[in-house]
Amino acid sequence: GQQLNQSPQSMFIQEGEDVSMNCTSSSIFNTWLWYKQDPGEGPVLLIALYKAGELTSNGRLTAQFGTTRKDSFLNISASIPSDVGIYFCAVRLSGTYKYIFGTGTRLKVLA
Amino acid sequence: GAVVSQHPSWVICKSGTSVKIECRSLDFQATTMFWYRQFPKQSLMLMATSNEGSKATYEQGVEKDKFLINHASLTLSTLTVTSAHPEDSSFYICSASRSRYQPQHFGDGTRLSIL
Repeated sequence: GQQLNQSPQSMFIQEGEDVSMNCTSSSIFNTWLWYKQDPGEGPVLLIALYKAGELTSNGRLTAQFGTTRKDSFLNISASIPSDVGIYFCAVRLSGTYKYIFGTGTRLKVLA
Repeated sequence: GAVVSQHPSWVICKSGTSVKIECRSLDFQATTMFWYRQFPKQSLMLMATSNEGSKATYEQGVEKDKFLINHASLTLSTLTVTSAHPEDSSFYICSASRSRYQPQHFGDGTRLSIL
């Protein structure tokens, strides 16, 4: 089936550093989303992307929808301890209103 | 923003018990809600699409008689895990969106532990 691969799988960073992660697919998708999930909670929507090449920011977060429509990346600038969590990308399946989720990137921040 | 509420947040029960989980959209009407299952350190797996006023649509491999879904109103969907067994232990999360093509917003999940 369709799969979204996220990299890195996990990462440790120093507080204050910038973070970059990406999400790739073998298929084209027209809607890409980024979510953050804290332990024991549901995912929270960070950024939604609807147009190829689109670059969107939300505070310290910036995400881009790849021009090939097969990838997206998420950047976090000046990371802080509360950025800890799992970041998931998600895409809407064409012709449906269902979403599939990526494998996740686990972020751990060293204070 | 959109708010989705899920209840209970945590359930422990004996094997053979049926457990009902509620998902409510608090500030919008949702004709469609979704139920996911998440195992530890894994991604979210879509189980079924809950459709208001009609039968749920289940993903391949999900037993519809095991996971009963009812979407009786535009703000409430319920998932009932029937005759639960230890292998049903997992984190169950629901989601809803204002319209079909808008992003989904998630509840806080229900941790189900079957002894």
